[in-house]
Amino acid sequence: QPQLQESGPGLVKPSETLSLTCTVSGVSISSTSDYWGWIRQPPGKGLEWIGSIDYSGNAYYNPSLKSRVTLSVDTSKNLFSLKLNSVTAADTAVYYCARDIRSFDNWGQGALVTVSS
Amino acid sequence: ETVLTQSPGTLSLSPGERATLSCRASHSSSSNFLAWYQQKPGQAPRLLIHGASNRATGIPDRFIGSGSGTDFTLTISRLEPEDFAVYYCQHYGSSGFTFGPGTKVDIK
Repeated sequence: QPQLQESGPGLVKPSETLSLTCTVSGVSISSTSDYWGWIRQPPGKGLEWIGSIDYSGNAYYNPSLKSRVTLSVDTSKNLFSLKLNSVTAADTAVYYCARDIRSFDNWGQGALVTVSS
Repeated sequence: ETVLTQSPGTLSLSPGERATLSCRASHSSSSNFLAWYQQKPGQAPRLLIHGASNRATGIPDRFIGSGSGTDFTLTISRLEPEDFAVYYCQHYGSSGFTFGPGTKVDIK
């Protein structure tokens, strides 16, 4: 079973870009046809899927966030990354990475990102 | 986009009782892409059920998923103390993933 770990700044200023990385261990991203996804959860609220990417860079996004999101993958480091630009306070959330098998079976522990000046 | 509605919002039960959670989809779709998750405070969600009725690895058999079309159900046959949590349903479709708003199962 893969293990996933999110990392990145916990505080981002409004209008700037949120950047997070998910490091995968226990399985090689490039050895599987699985996708790898990002999901977020604002404090006290429900879950929202952001997007998913496979090892070759094929990605699909939540239509409501697509204009602000970029996903990328680095198979040499066995990790994938999220960039969300033009952030506002509404983007404050715990950000999770997870394996996408048309459901999410392995999750990271989550990273709280606060948008504030 | 498929919108998911979960009911009830909160379910207050005692250990040993049966819990029945509902998830209704705005559009009929393949049950292959309906999943259920459990989330406890401060923890990541845990996959319980995928394909509407298939238990994920290591999930006890007291968790039972059923349904098709637009109506899906998660049944917990006998609540254990560790089952009190929030439960989310999730759909995968042509626009990607959507989650329901969740049902909180708390101790009566």
